[in-house]
Amino acid sequence: GAGVSQSPSNKVTEKGKDVELRCDPISGHTALYWYRQRLGQGLEFLIYFQGNSAPDKSGLPSDRFSAERTGESVSTLTIQRTQQEDSAVYLCASSLEPSRAGANVLTFGAGSRLTVL
Amino acid sequence: AQKITQTQPGMFVQEKEAVTLDCTYDTSDPSYGLFWYKQPSSGEMIFLIYQGSYDQQNATEGRYSLNFQKARKSANLVISASQLGDSAMYFCAMRERSNAGNNRKLIWGLGTSLAVNP
Repeated sequence: GAGVSQSPSNKVTEKGKDVELRCDPISGHTALYWYRQRLGQGLEFLIYFQGNSAPDKSGLPSDRFSAERTGESVSTLTIQRTQQEDSAVYLCASSLEPSRAGANVLTFGAGSRLTVL
Repeated sequence: AQKITQTQPGMFVQEKEAVTLDCTYDTSDPSYGLFWYKQPSSGEMIFLIYQGSYDQQNATEGRYSLNFQKARKSANLVISASQLGDSAMYFCAMRERSNAGNNRKLIWGLGTSLAVNP
């Protein structure tokens, strides 16, 4: 697509419920990133996918967080048994393969705002 | 210790005037890159400008320029002729060589909120 699409744009859930957040990257972008942005904070790296390589999960804050990506397409970030501290905006970004020129620039989606009551 | 420091939580500027948003960084790596992103109220992060540590010239992109002072470890963003649409959060970020070509460990500042007054 023309840009990075994320859904839902807003999600309100009850503590303890599971949520799924979706990211549709730019066509041709092999690299995909998830970030978390808490209110008044900078971006916190969560997970990184590059092509068919094993994802870098080093930023996931707990085992309640997981993400999947099939090939170079859509990614889903799942948060199980949500807690109030999970409330944040979850941003997805994609870029060209890191070895190619122009890969320095991330293109971000508008984010999914999660509120856990 | 913060690797990226943005000391101005909020800034105001009059439309058509220039404004400088501060960013200082801390790294011992001789090769690094510095980025500025804009985040309007819609939430999207929009890439504005990039400066490599070995670049001889200060980066410019339209009304955006980066005042890169390597010895002071500062990379201030200058927006000329401010427009109402420039009202947004602005984030400075740094990528160090250990992650060259890979953005996953970009280090982000806390941002500066810019309001452009008509």
